[in-house]
Amino acid sequence: ETGVTQTPRHLVMGMTNKKSLKCEQHLGHNAMYWYKQSAKKPLELMFVYSLEERVENNSVPSRFSPECPNSSHLFLHLHTLQPEDSALYLCASSPSRSWNTEAFFGQGTRLTVV
Amino acid sequence: AQSVAQPEDQVNVAEGNPLTVKCTYSVSGNPYLFWYVQYPNRGLQFLLKYITGDNLVKGSYGFEAEFNKSQTSFHLKKPSALVSDSALYFCAVLSNDYKLSFGAGTTVTVRA
Repeated sequence: ETGVTQTPRHLVMGMTNKKSLKCEQHLGHNAMYWYKQSAKKPLELMFVYSLEERVENNSVPSRFSPECPNSSHLFLHLHTLQPEDSALYLCASSPSRSWNTEAFFGQGTRLTVV
Repeated sequence: AQSVAQPEDQVNVAEGNPLTVKCTYSVSGNPYLFWYVQYPNRGLQFLLKYITGDNLVKGSYGFEAEFNKSQTSFHLKKPSALVSDSALYFCAVLSNDYKLSFGAGTTVTVRA
């Protein structure tokens, strides 16, 4: 266990649905991240929050909407997704956005868009 | 831009044999390099990192990595592989704006 918990572990949704992914950490970390993992591709950094403020948005389509209500929780709201959005979505946290700290990852949410 | 490359999609070794997973990097300035492992149906777990100091870095589960500045490499090694080491391994570099960029991953299969 890394201390980062993601729910749900698996999600199947239709293209017209609205759903949310949740990430929780009680490690006292100040930075949280969403990554997308697709087969045979490098992990794609989607969003970065530092001290609850979004500091990075890597040209992610607006059908993905992040929310960070406090330093322990991070959400990814999904709506009108496409089949190509099917992937493993990983949440991570780190003590700070710093050069000498590693990230701690959750187990991921396996998303399937049908 | 900072990036890493993992030239091998797959590495297959017999249990007890040495294991090497290759990684090369491209950065401006000092590189901050990481290795992560992902077991089936799990998230990524941190193995080790190179920030500064000794070129040989020791990490979890008996793994180590050698930083080679002249060859811009950071290969992951284990002297004697176990079947339980079978997993997906990612090399990563931290950019100047604190973004962690990952390679595409290398699938390691250790056969009994």
